[in-house]
Amino acid sequence: KQEVTQIPAALSVPEGENLVLNCSFTDSAIYNLQWFRQDPGKGLTSLLLIQSSQREQTSGRLNASLDKSSGRSTLYIAASQPGDSATYLCAVKGQAGTALIFGKGTTLSVSS
Amino acid sequence: NAGVTQTPKFRVLKTGQSMTLLCAQDMNHEYMYWYRQDPGMGLRLIHYSVGEGTTAKGEVPDGYNVSRLKKQNFLLGLESAAPSQTSVYFCASRLGTVNTGELFFGEGSRLTVL
Repeated sequence: KQEVTQIPAALSVPEGENLVLNCSFTDSAIYNLQWFRQDPGKGLTSLLLIQSSQREQTSGRLNASLDKSSGRSTLYIAASQPGDSATYLCAVKGQAGTALIFGKGTTLSVSS
Repeated sequence: NAGVTQTPKFRVLKTGQSMTLLCAQDMNHEYMYWYRQDPGMGLRLIHYSVGEGTTAKGEVPDGYNVSRLKKQNFLLGLESAAPSQTSVYFCASRLGTVNTGELFFGEGSRLTVL
């Protein structure tokens, strides 16, 4: 059974810092991995989708990498801002017919 | 483009009452999902559908029923609500022609069962 773990559960940084959020998964047979952002009381917003054949994806200040063989993904946020404060979740898509399996998220707080 | 819309956004029920949550998507997506999110438990899949007229059980299906009579709508029903079903419910959808599609979420429906 696929399990997705995100460490740390919470992270506090000052504005301007570069930071890395980690996601690990137990079964490397995945189709893709997706990173989401969730603001308090809101739904999930997709940030980046990495296909199993890709090593990384970039969007603005965000860069996500994928190492299937080791079961790891990282989300790199450059020059963090207070507006980046949110919970970040990763989710993996396994074999056909299965739904995404989510990690429990990392809650990020960026102070000004 | 509305994306994924959930109604109602908030609801309070008494134990034993029934209700239906509606999810509507306007992106012509094949796959639709219902998740619940609880503190410390993360997102857990309740039921999902791979197309009109089909449904399947997820990780925590007990106490819920679903229907997908129209491609754009996915209904989640609680026949006899219990306090353990107090949660935030999220609907999601994705294009199902390949297994690599991006997942889109609604804003959530907050349910409290007294």
